[in-house]
Amino acid sequence: AQSVTQPDIHITVSEGASLELRCNYSYGATPYLFWYVQSPGQGLQLLLKYFSGDTLVQGIKGFEAEFKRSQSSFNLRKPSVHWSDAAEYFCAVGQGNLIFGKGTKLSVKP
Amino acid sequence: DAGVIQSPRHEVTEMGQEVTLRCKPISGHNSLFWYRQTMMRGLELLIYFNNNVPIDDSGMPEDRFSAKMPNASFSTLKIQPSEPRDSAVYFCASSLAGGLAEAFFGQGTRLTVV
Repeated sequence: AQSVTQPDIHITVSEGASLELRCNYSYGATPYLFWYVQSPGQGLQLLLKYFSGDTLVQGIKGFEAEFKRSQSSFNLRKPSVHWSDAAEYFCAVGQGNLIFGKGTKLSVKP
Repeated sequence: DAGVIQSPRHEVTEMGQEVTLRCKPISGHNSLFWYRQTMMRGLELLIYFNNNVPIDDSGMPEDRFSAKMPNASFSTLKIQPSEPRDSAVYFCASSLAGGLAEAFFGQGTRLTVV
């Protein structure tokens, strides 16, 4: 069955610290992978996507993610978190109809 | 472009009433998706259209839910009759060429059924 798992429901990091949000997927074919961010009361905004090629992809707002086929993972990283990064982050997989993980809520301490 | 436009932003209705949610996709996009977001179940795909044709409606929870896309610039999601468990945020998204391109999301409609 196709699925996306985000093991961490809530993460708190200090401003300026590094961040890694985990995502594992189960998908029968070559996966198309996405990370979206959702601020309170807003829709989802795409941070980055992976279709093929270089397994390290760069996105907006200083985020990057690495596709590791052997681990079925697509973890999101940022070297230095800003207070404005506080939001909920969703990993998704699919071709056409996206399957989303349950999300990870990020809080940022001053 | 103004992005994906959903209306209304908030809807409060009584159980048993009909509810219609509306979506205007980004001009030129040929795929449209309806999602439902709840705390318990997260984001669930309800239905998606390619070129105005429903492709997969397996996520539609019950016959009380129906969706239409009469033309490339408009879609509706209807719940009739509504129930309290339908309370959720409903998102519409659109994209080019199915899922091979980025899906742009509207700001959602927060539905409360009392």
